[in-house]
Amino acid sequence: NAGVTQTPKFRVLKTGQSMTLLCAQDMNHEYMYWYRQDPGMGLRLIHYSVGEGTTAKGEVPDGYNVSRLKKQNFLLGLESAAPSQTSVYFCASKTSTSGQETQYFGPGTRLLVL
Amino acid sequence: EDQVTQSPEALRLQEGESSSLNCSYTVSGLRGLFWYRQDPGKGPEFLFTLYSAGEEKEKERLKATLTKKESFLHITAPKPEDSATYLCAVQAVGATNKLIFGTGTLLAVQP
Repeated sequence: NAGVTQTPKFRVLKTGQSMTLLCAQDMNHEYMYWYRQDPGMGLRLIHYSVGEGTTAKGEVPDGYNVSRLKKQNFLLGLESAAPSQTSVYFCASKTSTSGQETQYFGPGTRLLVL
Repeated sequence: EDQVTQSPEALRLQEGESSSLNCSYTVSGLRGLFWYRQDPGKGPEFLFTLYSAGEEKEKERLKATLTKKESFLHITAPKPEDSATYLCAVQAVGATNKLIFGTGTLLAVQP
């Protein structure tokens, strides 16, 4: 199993450009998450999904949109990138089995917005 | 407010020098506490989940323990390959989809 994979690994954008980050998991997990990681701060939740076709806001959702059209994929979109969105983005997934609360993370996407 | 504080921010050890990392937390009710290891340029790698006070888990040179206010990650006879950032996160009761992360402890083990 590949676990959680993310594409691209690295991207440079100009202010105002748009892009989509792709997360894929092959563990048949119901729950999927997008986080951002910034220096000196803990990982912060952007959006999450509890199943195919569902999405919900996390702690820092502004400027981002998400879609979960297929169970194995979770997309994070930036419609008009801003320098404040320069960060490392991590996707994670978790089973819906009761008592199994561990989230498993992907390798990350490094985004630089100029 | 739910909060996680990790200490120290950075720790330098000699190979074989055992030590502990601390994760103090404040949550309305603890559902689970998680330890991850993160190498530079990589995603967090799961280490342990602890669910109740008194619980302990071990893996190779690492041992995680949990009390009602904090968790410790004990590293016994560390090796240079144990060098990484160690992240702690908590999940509160009723917050199934929200992990609160600390800022991590950067561990460097010198040969």
